[in-house]
Amino acid sequence: EVQLVQSGAEVKKPGESLKISCKGSGYRFSTYWIGWVRQMPGRGLEWMGIIDPGDSDTRYRPSFQGHVTISVDKSISTAYLQWSSLTASDTAMYYCARGSYYFDNWGQGTLVTVSS
Amino acid sequence: DIQMTQSPSSLSASVGDRVTIACQASQDINNYLNWYQQKPGKAPKLLIYDASNLATGVPSRFSGRGSGTDFTLTIYSLQPEDIATYYCQEYDNLPYSFGRGTKLEIK
Repeated sequence: EVQLVQSGAEVKKPGESLKISCKGSGYRFSTYWIGWVRQMPGRGLEWMGIIDPGDSDTRYRPSFQGHVTISVDKSISTAYLQWSSLTASDTAMYYCARGSYYFDNWGQGTLVTVSS
Repeated sequence: DIQMTQSPSSLSASVGDRVTIACQASQDINNYLNWYQQKPGKAPKLLIYDASNLATGVPSRFSGRGSGTDFTLTIYSLQPEDIATYYCQEYDNLPYSFGRGTKLEIK
């Protein structure tokens, strides 16, 4: 069974750094891109970016580039989304999902709350 | 970026009704269009890919059509478990974009 398991909820202060994770299992991790999707409270889905675990080729939505970093450690079948300096507007649910053109399996989501 | 416009933004229908949700792209995207269902408090789920292909395990009452700029998702015989928000997503050009969603409620 394909599974993507994300790290737990986080509560952070503005300016702090954060790295959340997404571990894949039940399939060959390096052969499927992994994407990240943001959902702010009460809002819709936003496509953030995707990464190819095979060679770490990464594509970002321009509005996220420079503010987040998507990375992967294929040796442990895990993708990451990280911030070096959080702001209150980063408060959202973040989903990882498998695929490039379409996302056929999703993680359970990681809720990130940024508040002073 | 390609803009995806969904309509309506919300709708209410009765069990057994046929429901149609529209999605329009700001430019020709061939059939590079997917549909997702998100139930309250849950992660999204892929329903339809490549405009008309049913994802694994999705009931046959769901159907997708369209190409170019205009697409539809139809639910034939609405069921109570179909209460959700539905999103379209294009993959013609990076970065890919989602529509703003259609919230479906049961009367």
